[in-house]
Amino acid sequence: EIVLTQSPGTLSFSRGERATLSCRASQTVNNNYFAWYQQKPGQTPRLLIYAASTRATGIPDRFGGSGSGTDFTLTISRLEPEDFAVYYCQQYGSSPWTFGQGTKVEIK
Amino acid sequence: QLQLQESGPGLVKPSETLSLTCTVSGGSIISSSYYCGWIRQPPGKGLEWIGSMYYGGSTYYNPSLKSRLTMSADTSKNQFSLKLSSVTAADTAVYYCARHYNLWYFDLWGRGTLVTVSS
Repeated sequence: EIVLTQSPGTLSFSRGERATLSCRASQTVNNNYFAWYQQKPGQTPRLLIYAASTRATGIPDRFGGSGSGTDFTLTISRLEPEDFAVYYCQQYGSSPWTFGQGTKVEIK
Repeated sequence: QLQLQESGPGLVKPSETLSLTCTVSGGSIISSSYYCGWIRQPPGKGLEWIGSMYYGGSTYYNPSLKSRLTMSADTSKNQFSLKLSSVTAADTAVYYCARHYNLWYFDLWGRGTLVTVSS
């Protein structure tokens, strides 16, 4: 099983700042089959990025994904108030499909 | 547009079986070549993939839950079902069904249903 580690658990930013979130896999993720989700309090997770860098339908272009192998990054270029949430990474290169434990992006 | 809705008891006793249904509306699970995934989230914690199923019957289970898990599909009702046996308090969570696109990522989610295991 591939273990995904997101660190740190919480990041604090001001509105308009650039946020960089990291996710490290315990093994190489095949074909860069990697996704990112956003979850706001009391809401359902929403797919942001798949295939490591492809934005899902309707996702603003301030969200970007990058990385390969074992290290992946989600970047939010300019934080808007609605972006303060928890972000999860997920690998789908091999079963069982696994999620990271989440990084909370909070307002400084 | 496809929509998903979970349903089932909100309270289950320890050692009993948790049973949930995911109803898909807005399209046929057959025509969509639909994989249904189940994901759970204990209160205040992260996401855990439980298992996934193709409408045609193929199942994919998380090894950590496989011995207690049964998934099925009813194409006439456009529904998928989840059964988790011998539950304990550790199974208390919000349970989501989601479209597991190509068995890759989860692109459409239900709103989730909270299941509490308690006597």
